[in-house]
Parts: sequence; C-alpha cells; structure tokens
Amino acid sequence: GDSVTQMEGPVTLSEEAFLTINCTYTATGYPSLFWYVQYPGEGLQLLLKATKADDKGSNKGFEATYRKETTSFHLEKGSVQVSDSAVYFCALSFSSGGSYIPTFGRGTSLIVHP
Amino acid sequence: KAGVTQTPRYLIKTRGQQVTLSCSPISGHRSVSWYQQTPGQGLQFLFEYFSETQRNKGNFPGRFSGRQFSNSRSEMNVSTLELGDSALYLCASSPGVLTDTQYFGPGTRLTVL
Repeated sequence: GDSVTQMEGPVTLSEEAFLTINCTYTATGYPSLFWYVQYPGEGLQLLLKATKADDKGSNKGFEATYRKETTSFHLEKGSVQVSDSAVYFCALSFSSGGSYIPTFGRGTSLIVHP
Repeated sequence: KAGVTQTPRYLIKTRGQQVTLSCSPISGHRSVSWYQQTPGQGLQFLFEYFSETQRNKGNFPGRFSGRQFSNSRSEMNVSTLELGDSALYLCASSPGVLTDTQYFGPGTRLTVL
C-alpha cells in the first residue's frame, strides 16, 4: 500500500541554521504531496503542496520539490527561527478508483534554540 | 471565514462507554474528514463524508462511525470505548475532493480510563 517515510526526530537546530527534513513515499500512481505543520496544542495547518512532478511548493521560507525519480519531497528552509518549532508532517493523497485516502508520515519534531 | 471548530476540546470517558464528537466545517466546505492521532500510530484516516454520504473509509473497526448533516456539520461516534481509543481526534474540511487542501480543527482530546 501507499506509505510515507519521514526522518525521525527530534531535529534540534540553532536559530538561523539550515533545515532539511527528508520525506520519501511509495505509491502506485501520481499523488499530490503535502507538508503540514502542527504547533503545540493546535491542529494541522497546510504549509505547502505540490501536485505534479517537478513542482516546487513554497511558503513562509519553506520549500519542497516533488521529485518523481527519487519519490521524494524533502522540506527545506534556509534560516530557521524559534517560532518554527513544531511537528512537521509529510503526506500524500491521490485518486484511485474514485477513492482518495490520505496517508501521513509519522511526523518530525523540530526544536529551534535561540 | 471562521475556521473548523470541534467540540468538546477535552473528554474523559471510561471503558465500555460511548462518545460523540462534533465538527463544524468552514462555511461552504462540503467534505469533512476525521483522523485519529496517537503517539504510537501517528495520524490515521478514519473516514470522509461528502454531501451527507460516507465517501471514503479507513481501516478502523465498526465501533467507529460517523454522519454528516445537511449543513455539512459532522459527528463521530465511538461505541464500547477501549483504552486504546485514547487519542487526539482531528476533523478536517475541504471544498471537495481529498486532494484539495484540508483545513484542520484543533482536535478533541479523548482520554479513556
């Protein structure tokens, strides 16, 4: 079945450091790919998405490129802030026989120190 | 627009009881999905309702059920609660198909004692 694999956390960085959170997927077909962020005590918020190969999603300084050849959608940010501390979820969703079952990764906790 | 709202935010029940959770989607959204989030299993899809019909279903036992009303509000019911049902239950709404962006509510934290 479809699956999403994220690097395990927590990822601990100092402010202004470069961030990469790896995400790879397994799917039969051509899914849409998403990154969601969950701040403490809140629900998930969409951070960015890409719907086809080579698309780059970007938002708030974060970006990720849909790589079909490596089945990856790695999240990057050039300079993290303390306020970026949260849990990040990679996800995929696509149509198959009329059904759309979203699949999430396990989440990666990011801790940014001042 | 107001966001997705879920009630109650916190709930404590005992084994064997049943519980009903409520979700009000963003105005104009017709699709409502429910998810269970636990530290051990992560975020798992329960089911999705669209125009009062269950359109998709995850791999959960029949104790988990839901419904959607004509105003798109949705309820989720869990019968015969088990300790393992303790989780954060998230509701998400979207305008239509699941490949659209989903907008999540803050969740209902259910504790089963």
